[in-house]
Amino acid sequence: AQTVTQSQPEMSVQEAETVTLSCTYDTSESDYYLFWYKQPPSRQMILVIRQEAYKQQNATENRFSVNFQKAAKSFSLKISDSQLGDAAMYFCATIGSGAGSYQLTFGKGTKLSVIP
Amino acid sequence: NAGVMQNPRHLVRRRGQEARLRCSPMKGHSHVYWYRQLPEEGLKFMVYLQKENIIDESGMPKERFSAEFPKEGPSILRIQQVVRGDSAAYFCASSIKSEQYFGPGTRLTVT
Repeated sequence: AQTVTQSQPEMSVQEAETVTLSCTYDTSESDYYLFWYKQPPSRQMILVIRQEAYKQQNATENRFSVNFQKAAKSFSLKISDSQLGDAAMYFCATIGSGAGSYQLTFGKGTKLSVIP
Repeated sequence: NAGVMQNPRHLVRRRGQEARLRCSPMKGHSHVYWYRQLPEEGLKFMVYLQKENIIDESGMPKERFSAEFPKEGPSILRIQQVVRGDSAAYFCASSIKSEQYFGPGTRLTVT
């Protein structure tokens, strides 16, 4: 069984500043993936960043990076140099990496506002 | 390579009518997943299908909901006798292996 908790329903950040979105999870899987998805008003789910749990190195994608603390089961997303287009709902999700794992488990999301 | 396609994007049904949501996976993808997103919630898994087979429907309500992925054509999520509580965004995803690619969703409104 897997659970994902996002404790911040809403966050705001000044344009060009940095913001960190929190996520904690629990899983019975021995190996798994973690994801951050962005959902803008168009509702399209866009994959922002992905982390394989067996990798110690934190994933980065341009202005987006994660702080993955496996022992603490924490997976936060840092957005640097925030832009107006970053305003969206952000969902943290996890899935097991085994052959029988196919259900993505999502948190409830964090609504990010970017202030000009 | 076109992404996952869903239609219609918006669907309005009166209570008691049937809703049919379609999903065409990415080319070459043989795995399809349906998720439901209620207002102010994250996506919740409903069903996982491969061609002509339902692999796991543990997240789907036992009554009124059904899904198929025929040998030819799109995957269909069918909701019979819709009720107001079925109003939600329904997302389809497809994959070859573990990474799931999402479609734009169908917004179902039951009046």
